[in-house]
Amino acid sequence: EVQLVESGGGLVQPGGSLRLSCAASGFTFSSFEMNWVRQAPGKGLEWVAYISASGSSIYYADSVKGRFIISRDNTKNSLYLQMNSLRVEDTAVYYCATESGYDRFEYWGHGTLVPVSS
Amino acid sequence: AIQMTQSPSSLSASVGDRVTITCRASQDIRTDLSWYQQKPGKAPKLLVYDASRLQSGVPSRFTGSGSGTDFTLTISSLQPEDFATYYCLQDYSFPRTFGQGTRLEIK
Repeated sequence: EVQLVESGGGLVQPGGSLRLSCAASGFTFSSFEMNWVRQAPGKGLEWVAYISASGSSIYYADSVKGRFIISRDNTKNSLYLQMNSLRVEDTAVYYCATESGYDRFEYWGHGTLVPVSS
Repeated sequence: AIQMTQSPSSLSASVGDRVTITCRASQDIRTDLSWYQQKPGKAPKLLVYDASRLQSGVPSRFTGSGSGTDFTLTISSLQPEDFATYYCLQDYSFPRTFGQGTRLEIK
């Protein structure tokens, strides 16, 4: 069974940093592209970042470029999102999602909440 | 960035109704579009990919169509479990962009 489990969320002050993790199991993690998607309270989905299976290609939403870093460790079946210079508007539930054939976001984690507030 | 305009933003319907949600891209995205269903407090669920391919396990009452800039998701006969929020997503280019969502409510 495919499982994606996010962790690392929690209250952080504006300007602070946080590192999210996504632990993958039940599939060959190293073969899958991965994404982070977020959802602010009561709002729609926003794509945040993408990383290729090998980690050689990375893309970011303009809203997080220069502040967030996506990475992966295929030996640990894990995806990460280092979030720096956090802003109130970064408050959201953060989901990790696989990207497979036809670029579909097939599997999603349950999400981890990141409130940014003083 | 490609903009995805989804309509309507909300919709009231009854069990058994046929409903259609549309998504318009700001430029040609071929068939690089997928549809997701999200229920409150839950992660999104993939319904349709490549504009019209039904994800395994998704009921056949869900149908996706379109190419280029105009896309639709149709639910042929609404079931109680279909009341949720629906999103389109373009995967033609980066940054990926979602539609703003359509909230489907019980009439």
